[in-house]
Amino acid sequence: AQTVTQSQPEMSVQEAETVTLSCTYDTSESDYYLFWYKQPPSRQMILVIRQEAYKQQNATENRFSVNFQKAAKSFSLKISDSQLGDAAMYFCAYRRGRNAGGTSYGKLTFGQGTILTVHP
Amino acid sequence: DAGVTQSPTHLIKTRGQQVTLRCSPKSGHDTVSWYQQALGQGPQFIFQYYEEEERQRGNFPDRFSGHQFPNYSSELNVNALLLGDSALYLCASSSNDRGRSTDTQYFGPGTRLTVL
Repeated sequence: AQTVTQSQPEMSVQEAETVTLSCTYDTSESDYYLFWYKQPPSRQMILVIRQEAYKQQNATENRFSVNFQKAAKSFSLKISDSQLGDAAMYFCAYRRGRNAGGTSYGKLTFGQGTILTVHP
Repeated sequence: DAGVTQSPTHLIKTRGQQVTLRCSPKSGHDTVSWYQQALGQGPQFIFQYYEEEERQRGNFPDRFSGHQFPNYSSELNVNALLLGDSALYLCASSSNDRGRSTDTQYFGPGTRLTVL
């Protein structure tokens, strides 16, 4: 079974600084996707960034980027120029890739989450 | 473009009762997944519906059941409620259209269920 581990229960950062959230996962699959989701106190789970395992290039979305180390099964999230609105619980998630018939394996496996606090 | 919607927002039930939660997927999506999120924890996968059938199921008892309608909306039913069923229930929608990488799951705001 796939597992996702976030070893940092809480992190804090000063506004405008950079912070990195860690995530490791365990799988025997070669085709999979990794995600970072953000859940603010309003509780809506928002997609931050997505990485396909077959892509060597690290995904980037504006101030958010990942460091995907496939051999080490590591998938960290870097937030640059942190803003007050970045404060939230961040979840790393894993999903298997599509099978030969093209069907998506829909189950997302989440880590335990990291609470990010941004100080003004 | 409407996102994923869920109803109700909050719900309070007593032990032994039954509850139905509802989800409407994002426009263009045909697949609905349900997750249970206990306070301070990551979401746990309950099941996924596509073409009105349950396609994949997590480690949840048969008290948890679901349904998907022809318009792709979905219901989650929980029977014989236990105190431990108190949680945030999240619905996520995605597209299972083969050949397109649009199967990222987008979440609704959730339903907070409290069992007394």
